[in-house]
Amino acid sequence: GQQVMQIPQYQHVQEGEDFTTYCNSSTTLSNIQWYKQRPGGHPVFLIQLVKSGEVKKQKRLTFQFGEAKKNSSLHITATQTTDVGTYFCAGSYNQGGKLIFGQGTELSVKP
Amino acid sequence: EPEVTQTPSHQVTQMGQEVILRCVPISNHLYFYWYRQILGQKVEFLVSFYNNEISEKSEIFDDQFSVERPDGSNFTLKIRSTKLEDSAMYFCASSEEQPYEQYFGPGTRLTVT
Repeated sequence: GQQVMQIPQYQHVQEGEDFTTYCNSSTTLSNIQWYKQRPGGHPVFLIQLVKSGEVKKQKRLTFQFGEAKKNSSLHITATQTTDVGTYFCAGSYNQGGKLIFGQGTELSVKP
Repeated sequence: EPEVTQTPSHQVTQMGQEVILRCVPISNHLYFYWYRQILGQKVEFLVSFYNNEISEKSEIFDDQFSVERPDGSNFTLKIRSTKLEDSAMYFCASSEEQPYEQYFGPGTRLTVT
């Protein structure tokens, strides 16, 4: 079935270090979205990528969508303690709204 | 800023009982969703709803589950006969279009004892 795999499961970094999480789908995605969930909170939308090879930036966050539209990554430059949380990718396989979430990467940042 | 609201924030019920989880999506949104998240695990899609009918549902969404939009604002998820494994956080989400960004509510924590 349709699955989105995400690694790593956990990442512990020192404040100021970079962080990357990766998502991979077994089949081509229509689009991919990224969400952040703070501890005890709900998923909050960060970005959507639609085009093959697309790269989008939000301040220290860089999002990429692979050429084959099967993988994606989120890179955070110079992490801050406010970046703490779990980052989920969520893929869609058609133009519908059903999102298949990855397992998430829990980021902890040591000051 | 408009937001999705959900009630109650926490529901405790006994196995076999029926529960109704309520959501008020963002007012101009047309697409509505329910997801669940078992503690410490990923978010799982349950069902999407558009134009007063289910548009997609997952394998989790079996005959024990139903959704309804009883009026112009509420969107409900009913579980007819709860099981222990239904214990999870249930998130409602809405979007203006598909496949636009989805706005998630704060969730209802369901505990089945």
